[in-house]
Amino acid sequence: AQSVTQPDIHITVSEGASLELRCNYSYGATPYLFWYVQSPGQGLQLLLKYFSGDTLVQGIKGFEAEFKRSQSSFNLRKPSVHWSDAAEYFCAVGGGATNKLIFGTGTLLAVQP
Amino acid sequence: EAGVTQSPTHLIKTRGQQATLRCSPISGHTSVYWYQQALGLGLQFLLWYDEGEERNRGNFPPRFSGRQFPNYSSELNVNALELEDSALYLCASSPSNTQYFGPGTRLTVL
Repeated sequence: AQSVTQPDIHITVSEGASLELRCNYSYGATPYLFWYVQSPGQGLQLLLKYFSGDTLVQGIKGFEAEFKRSQSSFNLRKPSVHWSDAAEYFCAVGGGATNKLIFGTGTLLAVQP
Repeated sequence: EAGVTQSPTHLIKTRGQQATLRCSPISGHTSVYWYQQALGLGLQFLLWYDEGEERNRGNFPPRFSGRQFPNYSSELNVNALELEDSALYLCASSPSNTQYFGPGTRLTVL
Protein backbone atom coordinates (compact mmCIF):
# COMPACT_ATOMS: atom_id res chain seq x y z
CA ALA A 1 0.00 0.00 0.00
CA GLN A 2 1.16 3.51 -0.73
CA SER A 3 1.83 5.59 2.35
CA VAL A 4 3.87 8.42 3.79
CA THR A 5 5.10 8.54 7.36
CA GLN A 6 6.21 11.64 9.17
CA PRO A 7 7.34 10.31 12.55
CA ASP A 8 7.54 13.68 14.28
CA ILE A 9 4.18 15.28 15.02
CA HIS A 10 5.65 18.35 16.67
CA ILE A 11 9.20 19.79 16.68
CA THR A 12 10.53 22.85 18.46
CA VAL A 13 13.83 24.44 17.45
CA SER A 14 15.58 27.64 18.41
CA GLU A 15 15.89 30.41 15.86
CA GLY A 16 19.18 30.02 14.01
CA ALA A 17 19.43 26.30 14.72
CA SER A 18 19.45 23.68 12.00
CA LEU A 19 16.35 21.66 11.15
CA GLU A 20 15.66 18.21 9.78
CA LEU A 21 12.13 16.91 9.24
CA ARG A 22 11.79 13.23 8.54
CA CYS A 23 9.72 11.58 5.84
CA ASN A 24 9.52 7.91 4.89
CA TYR A 25 7.40 6.58 2.06
CA SER A 26 6.08 3.32 0.74
CA TYR A 27 5.39 3.33 -2.98
CA GLY A 28 5.43 0.59 -5.57
CA ALA A 29 6.83 2.53 -8.48
CA THR A 30 9.38 5.31 -8.76
CA PRO A 31 7.84 8.03 -6.66
CA TYR A 32 7.46 11.71 -7.21
CA LEU A 33 8.20 13.33 -3.85
CA PHE A 34 7.14 16.70 -2.52
CA TRP A 35 7.37 18.90 0.54
CA TYR A 36 4.66 21.47 1.18
CA VAL A 37 4.30 24.03 3.95
CA GLN A 38 1.03 25.28 5.44
CA SER A 39 0.59 28.32 7.64
CA PRO A 40 -2.47 28.33 9.95
CA GLY A 41 -5.72 28.48 8.00
CA GLN A 42 -3.90 28.73 4.69
CA GLY A 43 -3.37 26.54 1.66
CA LEU A 44 -0.28 24.52 0.86
CA GLN A 45 2.83 26.10 -0.59
CA LEU A 46 5.24 23.92 -2.55
CA LEU A 47 8.73 23.98 -1.05
CA LEU A 48 10.47 21.52 -3.34
CA LYS A 49 10.02 18.35 -5.37
CA TYR A 50 11.99 15.35 -6.55
CA PHE A 51 11.27 13.43 -9.71
CA SER A 52 14.64 12.03 -10.76
CA GLY A 53 18.31 12.89 -11.11
CA ASP A 54 20.37 14.56 -8.42
CA THR A 55 19.15 13.21 -5.10
CA LEU A 56 19.76 16.50 -3.28
CA VAL A 57 17.17 19.05 -4.31
CA GLN A 58 17.02 22.71 -3.45
CA GLY A 59 13.80 24.51 -2.78
CA ILE A 60 12.47 27.89 -1.81
CA LYS A 61 13.16 29.69 1.48
CA GLY A 62 16.55 27.98 1.89
CA PHE A 63 15.15 24.46 2.24
CA GLU A 64 16.68 21.35 0.73
CA ALA A 65 15.79 17.66 0.77
CA GLU A 66 17.67 14.47 0.07
CA PHE A 67 16.16 11.41 -1.59
CA LYS A 68 17.56 8.15 -0.28
CA ARG A 69 16.09 5.22 -2.16
CA SER A 70 17.71 2.60 0.09
CA GLN A 71 16.02 4.12 3.14
CA SER A 72 12.79 5.14 1.37
CA SER A 73 13.32 8.57 2.83
CA PHE A 74 13.02 12.16 1.70
CA ASN A 75 14.05 14.30 4.65
CA LEU A 76 13.75 18.08 4.61
CA ARG A 77 16.57 20.24 5.96
CA LYS A 78 17.40 23.86 6.61
CA PRO A 79 20.74 25.02 8.03
CA SER A 80 19.38 28.00 9.97
CA VAL A 81 15.73 28.36 10.94
CA HIS A 82 13.95 31.71 11.01
CA TRP A 83 10.94 32.57 13.16
CA SER A 84 8.86 32.85 9.98
CA ASP A 85 9.45 29.14 9.29
CA ALA A 86 7.00 28.21 12.04
CA ALA A 87 4.25 26.30 10.23
CA GLU A 88 3.12 22.77 9.45
CA TYR A 89 5.13 20.77 6.95
CA PHE A 90 3.74 17.99 4.81
CA CYS A 91 5.60 15.36 2.85
CA ALA A 92 3.73 13.85 -0.09
CA VAL A 93 4.23 11.16 -2.67
CA GLY A 94 2.54 11.05 -6.04
CA GLY A 95 2.77 9.90 -9.59
CA GLY A 96 1.40 7.03 -11.53
CA ALA A 97 -1.88 6.80 -13.33
CA THR A 98 -4.01 8.14 -10.50
CA ASN A 99 -1.99 11.35 -10.17
CA LYS A 100 -3.22 11.85 -6.63
CA LEU A 101 -0.94 12.97 -3.83
CA ILE A 102 -0.68 10.89 -0.67
CA PHE A 103 0.25 13.04 2.28
CA GLY A 104 1.90 12.36 5.56
CA THR A 105 0.22 13.52 8.75
CA GLY A 106 2.40 16.60 8.93
CA THR A 107 5.01 17.96 11.31
CA LEU A 108 4.20 21.12 13.24
CA LEU A 109 7.29 23.27 13.63
CA ALA A 110 7.60 25.80 16.43
CA VAL A 111 10.52 28.24 16.53
CA GLN A 112 11.78 29.59 19.84
CA PRO A 113 13.37 33.04 19.92
CA GLU B 1 1.16 35.01 -12.51
CA ALA B 2 -2.03 34.53 -10.51
CA GLY B 3 -2.23 31.44 -8.35
CA VAL B 4 -5.10 29.06 -7.77
CA THR B 5 -8.13 30.89 -6.43
CA GLN B 6 -11.01 29.45 -4.43
CA SER B 7 -14.36 30.83 -3.36
CA PRO B 8 -15.88 31.36 -0.97
CA THR B 9 -13.26 31.64 1.75
CA HIS B 10 -15.71 30.46 4.38
CA LEU B 11 -19.02 28.68 4.06
CA ILE B 12 -21.45 27.87 6.83
CA LYS B 13 -24.24 25.38 6.21
CA THR B 14 -26.60 23.30 8.25
CA ARG B 15 -26.87 19.55 8.17
CA GLY B 16 -28.74 18.24 5.14
CA GLN B 17 -28.06 21.29 2.97
CA GLN B 18 -25.93 21.39 -0.15
CA ALA B 19 -22.59 23.22 -0.51
CA THR B 20 -20.92 24.42 -3.70
CA LEU B 21 -17.24 25.30 -3.70
CA ARG B 22 -15.42 26.87 -6.63
CA CYS B 23 -11.88 26.78 -7.92
CA SER B 24 -10.04 28.62 -10.69
CA PRO B 25 -6.76 27.03 -11.74
CA ILE B 26 -3.56 28.71 -12.73
CA SER B 27 -3.74 29.87 -16.32
CA GLY B 28 -2.67 27.10 -18.66
CA HIS B 29 -3.28 24.29 -16.17
CA THR B 30 -5.83 21.77 -17.37
CA SER B 31 -5.95 19.50 -14.32
CA VAL B 32 -7.78 20.34 -11.11
CA TYR B 33 -7.66 18.32 -7.90
CA TRP B 34 -9.77 18.52 -4.77
CA TYR B 35 -8.61 17.50 -1.30
CA GLN B 36 -10.30 17.47 2.08
CA GLN B 37 -8.37 18.43 5.21
CA ALA B 38 -10.47 17.46 8.18
CA LEU B 39 -9.36 17.65 11.79
CA GLY B 40 -7.77 14.39 12.79
CA LEU B 41 -8.03 12.88 9.30
CA GLY B 42 -5.28 14.72 7.48
CA LEU B 43 -5.23 15.56 3.79
CA GLN B 44 -7.29 13.20 1.70
CA PHE B 45 -7.68 13.12 -2.07
CA LEU B 46 -11.24 13.70 -3.28
CA LEU B 47 -11.38 14.19 -7.04
CA TRP B 48 -9.27 14.79 -10.12
CA TYR B 49 -10.54 16.51 -13.25
CA ASP B 50 -8.66 16.90 -16.47
CA GLU B 51 -9.89 18.32 -19.76
CA GLY B 52 -13.44 18.37 -18.45
CA GLU B 53 -13.52 14.73 -17.41
CA GLU B 54 -13.42 13.09 -13.99
CA ARG B 55 -10.24 11.01 -14.03
CA ASN B 56 -10.10 9.64 -10.51
CA ARG B 57 -11.92 9.90 -7.23
CA GLY B 58 -10.95 9.10 -3.68
CA ASN B 59 -12.74 7.03 -1.12
CA PHE B 60 -15.68 9.39 -0.58
CA PRO B 61 -19.42 8.78 -0.94
CA PRO B 62 -21.26 9.80 -4.12
CA ARG B 63 -22.73 12.87 -2.45
CA PHE B 64 -19.33 14.42 -3.11
CA SER B 65 -19.32 15.33 -6.77
CA GLY B 66 -18.05 18.00 -9.06
CA ARG B 67 -17.37 19.12 -12.55
CA GLN B 68 -14.88 20.97 -14.64
CA PHE B 69 -15.90 23.68 -17.03
CA PRO B 70 -14.52 24.43 -20.51
CA ASN B 71 -12.33 27.18 -19.03
CA TYR B 72 -10.88 24.52 -16.65
CA SER B 73 -12.40 26.02 -13.53
CA SER B 74 -14.10 23.53 -11.27
CA GLU B 75 -16.92 23.12 -8.80
CA LEU B 76 -17.13 20.74 -5.89
CA ASN B 77 -20.64 19.92 -4.71
CA VAL B 78 -21.41 18.26 -1.42
CA ASN B 79 -25.00 17.13 -1.00
CA ALA B 80 -26.85 16.14 2.15
CA LEU B 81 -24.20 17.72 4.36
CA GLU B 82 -23.17 15.90 7.50
CA LEU B 83 -21.40 17.33 10.52
CA GLU B 84 -18.23 15.41 9.65
CA ASP B 85 -18.01 17.22 6.31
CA SER B 86 -16.71 20.24 8.22
CA ALA B 87 -13.19 20.72 6.89
CA LEU B 88 -10.85 22.82 4.81
CA TYR B 89 -11.33 21.97 1.15
CA LEU B 90 -8.26 22.56 -0.95
CA CYS B 91 -8.12 22.82 -4.69
CA ALA B 92 -4.93 22.32 -6.67
CA SER B 93 -4.10 22.72 -10.32
CA SER B 94 -1.35 21.11 -12.32
CA PRO B 95 0.19 21.31 -15.76
CA SER B 96 1.62 17.79 -15.34
CA ASN B 97 3.09 16.20 -12.20
CA THR B 98 3.30 19.10 -9.76
CA GLN B 99 0.22 20.34 -7.93
CA TYR B 100 -0.15 23.96 -6.84
CA PHE B 101 -2.69 24.66 -4.15
CA GLY B 102 -5.17 27.41 -3.52
CA PRO B 103 -5.95 28.97 -0.13
CA GLY B 104 -8.89 26.67 0.53
CA THR B 105 -12.54 26.99 1.50
CA ARG B 106 -13.41 26.44 5.14
CA LEU B 107 -16.75 24.59 5.27
CA THR B 108 -18.53 24.48 8.59
CA VAL B 109 -21.61 22.29 8.97
CA LEU B 110 -23.84 23.08 11.93
